[in-house]
Amino acid sequence: AQKITQTQPGMFVQEKEAVTLDCTYDTSDQSYGLFWYKQPSSGEMIFLIYQGSYDEQNATEGRYSLNFQKARKSANLVISASQLGDSAMYFCAMREGELSGGYNKLIFGAGTRLAVHP
Amino acid sequence: GAGVSQSPRYKVAKRGQDVALRCDPISGHVSLFWYQQALGQGPEFLTYFQNEAQLDKSGLPSDRFFAERPEGSVSTLKIQRTQQEDSAVYLCASSLGWPGATNEKLFFGSGTQLSVL
Repeated sequence: AQKITQTQPGMFVQEKEAVTLDCTYDTSDQSYGLFWYKQPSSGEMIFLIYQGSYDEQNATEGRYSLNFQKARKSANLVISASQLGDSAMYFCAMREGELSGGYNKLIFGAGTRLAVHP
Repeated sequence: GAGVSQSPRYKVAKRGQDVALRCDPISGHVSLFWYQQALGQGPEFLTYFQNEAQLDKSGLPSDRFFAERPEGSVSTLKIQRTQQEDSAVYLCASSLGWPGATNEKLFFGSGTQLSVL
């Protein structure tokens, strides 16, 4: 069963506008973590933001915020004031359960390609 | 270097050839991961090292895939008798590996794009 679902293969947004990238997840664990990564054309994955399942407040990192709705099992990424450099693939990822052996084993979604237009 | 370094950046192999992909993690990082990313897909976990110990190899697709990290720093992913379905980008990631760090982020390299003809 698919654990992470990103239903938007592609999105576009006008520069300086906000955009929301959707992510839903499936887990039976009470403790888990959710990550968002950005992958530009250079290929490397760049960490953006993290949300723990027990965190009561939505995570924020600069222009990035995570709209975490636990009951709906969704963890949408909101990018405010889009910039041309935000054009890239965006991946939602999940770590299930408590750290087993002390490491973050991540499961990734299929990604959303974001294009920012001037 | 300051980041995770992978080499070669591109590798073309004939079906049946053996290949070796190298990863230089960030100095001092205890944890090292290998992921496989097929075209148009998200990365999929292959294997995990804590220092030189391979603690999880549950994602390796077959016994043709082998990974090592003999001195706890540089790692090599070897694929024997390559097949066309092995064509993908192979990403290496490292992290500090602090015990219990649930939000610890992974630092990724730019990957090796493997094409098997």
